[in-house]
Amino acid sequence: DGGITQSPKYLFRKEGQNVTLSCEQNLNHDAMYWYRQDPGQGLRLIYYSQIVNDFQKGDIAEGYSVSREKKESFPLTVTSAQKNPTAFYLCASSISRESTGELFFGEGSRLTVL
Amino acid sequence: QKEVEQDPGPLSVPEGAIVSLNCTYSNSAFQYFMWYRQYSRKGPELLMYTYSSGNKEDGRFTAQVDKSSKYISLFIRDSQPSDSATYLCAARGNYGGATNKLIFGTGTLLAVQP
Repeated sequence: DGGITQSPKYLFRKEGQNVTLSCEQNLNHDAMYWYRQDPGQGLRLIYYSQIVNDFQKGDIAEGYSVSREKKESFPLTVTSAQKNPTAFYLCASSISRESTGELFFGEGSRLTVL
Repeated sequence: QKEVEQDPGPLSVPEGAIVSLNCTYSNSAFQYFMWYRQYSRKGPELLMYTYSSGNKEDGRFTAQVDKSSKYISLFIRDSQPSDSATYLCAARGNYGGATNKLIFGTGTLLAVQP
């Protein structure tokens, strides 16, 4: 089955630690995205990538980093510089950046900072 | 003012009722309008997609866009308990323009009571 796989589903982190969230897709999509979802705030774009070895900051990139070494993979690192990292993180993909909004989402990763 | 506004609800209706979910947007350059459905602790899935003004019907679901009033609606006929979810509206402009980023509303939580 084609889709987007995010792992882990739940993650707990101590303050001051970096954590990496995994996102893998087998849809052969060029574009991949990371969103953060908080209650009452909707989805906010962290980073996106249109092609391998290229990525762009979204609206709330501070404290996050990404890489895109393979078409299928777009991991997100939440660094200790992120002041309020507890949230639900969603990875998504689309055929291309030009595609008209049809994003396919993973099941999400819930990060809790203790 | 947020670019896409959505009443967070919750909205509770009895099974079989007609549900009306609504969003407003502020940017007249938006051309593409979507509704995503998100079940609890899952990623959003695309439900309806509309280009410019008009109606689009898919089974029990009808999406409506009125660009003159900047109003987006989703109607659900014969609502079922399985429709209980958060519904997110989203909008974007044409690729290459300043408004090509997909902007999400905060989501409306719907509960259909059996």
